[in-house]
Amino acid sequence: DVKVTQSSRYLVKRTGEKVFLECVQDMDHENMFWYRQDPGLGLRLIYFSYDVKMKEKGDIPEGYSVSREKKERFSLILESASTNQTSMYLCASSARGYTFGSGTRLTVV
Amino acid sequence: SQKIEQNSEALNIQEGKTATLTCNYTNYSPAYLQWYRQDPGRGPVFLLLIRENEKEKRKERLKVTFDTTLKQSLFHITASQPADSATYLCALDVGSGAGSYQLTFGKGTKLSVIP
Repeated sequence: DVKVTQSSRYLVKRTGEKVFLECVQDMDHENMFWYRQDPGLGLRLIYFSYDVKMKEKGDIPEGYSVSREKKERFSLILESASTNQTSMYLCASSARGYTFGSGTRLTVV
Repeated sequence: SQKIEQNSEALNIQEGKTATLTCNYTNYSPAYLQWYRQDPGRGPVFLLLIRENEKEKRKERLKVTFDTTLKQSLFHITASQPADSATYLCALDVGSGAGSYQLTFGKGTKLSVIP
């Protein structure tokens, strides 16, 4: 089975900190995605990547950046964390059906 | 504007009955549609994919239909069980042309199967 691993299940950071969320997949998928999920808003795409060093903005990229230096790893970076970035962050990789990680619940205080 | 609507935020159903969840979309022409299951505090899990040229797909107690004229998909769980209680998400491909298989998700329907 494809496995997508997110480095932290829970994270608490202070406003203004730079935050790194790591995601690793073990199935050699080319496509990887970062979503955030908030009550009442559903899953919203932040960034995605379809190849190493390639990235595309999703629907809500503001305040975020990404890095894909190796095929298996896709990192989400919050340049200067703010309280409105408190959310559940989900990474996925795909051929067709997505495989999601377990999520990182980030709280910015 | 483009919209995906799952018509119920919540659906309660008696154990053993068939649960039917609806996904409607506007201003999309998806090549395929997918359904996912999400349990609280976990990431969504892929269940089924149906292509635009397929009318129906089945997997064990699950059945999905896809009507591109009505712009609607129905997701059925037959002989429902309390373990089927979860939030179910539909998703459409909105492919960027780069082979990215980019999906847009509905907000989900929370299904509760009552013993």
